[in-house]
Amino acid sequence: GDSVTQTEGLVTLTEGLPVMLNCTYQSTYSPFLFWYVQHLNEAPKLLLKSFTDNKRPEHQGFHATLHKSSSSFHLQKSSAQLSDSALYYCALASSSFSKLVFGQGTSLSVVP
Amino acid sequence: NSKVIQTPRYLVKGQGQKAKMRCIPEKGHPVVFWYQQNKNNEFKFLINFQNQEVLQQIDMTEKRFSAECPSNSPCSLEIQSSEAGDSALYLCASSRRVSNERLFFGHGTKLSVL
Repeated sequence: GDSVTQTEGLVTLTEGLPVMLNCTYQSTYSPFLFWYVQHLNEAPKLLLKSFTDNKRPEHQGFHATLHKSSSSFHLQKSSAQLSDSALYYCALASSSFSKLVFGQGTSLSVVP
Repeated sequence: NSKVIQTPRYLVKGQGQKAKMRCIPEKGHPVVFWYQQNKNNEFKFLINFQNQEVLQQIDMTEKRFSAECPSNSPCSLEIQSSEAGDSALYLCASSRRVSNERLFFGHGTKLSVL
């Protein structure tokens, strides 16, 4: 079945350093991939969605590239900000097309 | 601010009690999802609807939960007999279409089963 793997449970970074959160997936189809962010006591919200034409989605300084050869959709940002501290979830639109399958989530903590 | 409205924000129940939570999806969104976010922050899909029809649900939901999305009324998710392991944040989300579409989440209902 479809699955998403986020290998890092907790990432702690110093403000200003680059961010890279890992996401790999398994799917029998060519899926859409998403990154959602959940700040403390807030609703999860969409950060990025993959495109069908290999464009690289970007939002709020974050970007991710879908690599079908390695089944990856890693999240990157050149310089971490304190306000980036949150839970980040990679998700896949499942082959059944009726639900999103979420990874385990990565907690990003940005410190001064 | 989230346009998916979930009530109540907090729910405290004893074991064996019923626990009911509600969700008003974003206007114009016919597809509604329920996810359970456990204490490890992992998301578990529970059930989804398109209009009033169930699209998919997991075994646990089918056996222990009652869920519906009636027309012109909030969607609801009810645990028939709460267990300690049901303590979690229950997130409702809605979308415009079934496939490959972004989800809009509510703030969730935090259930504590004592």
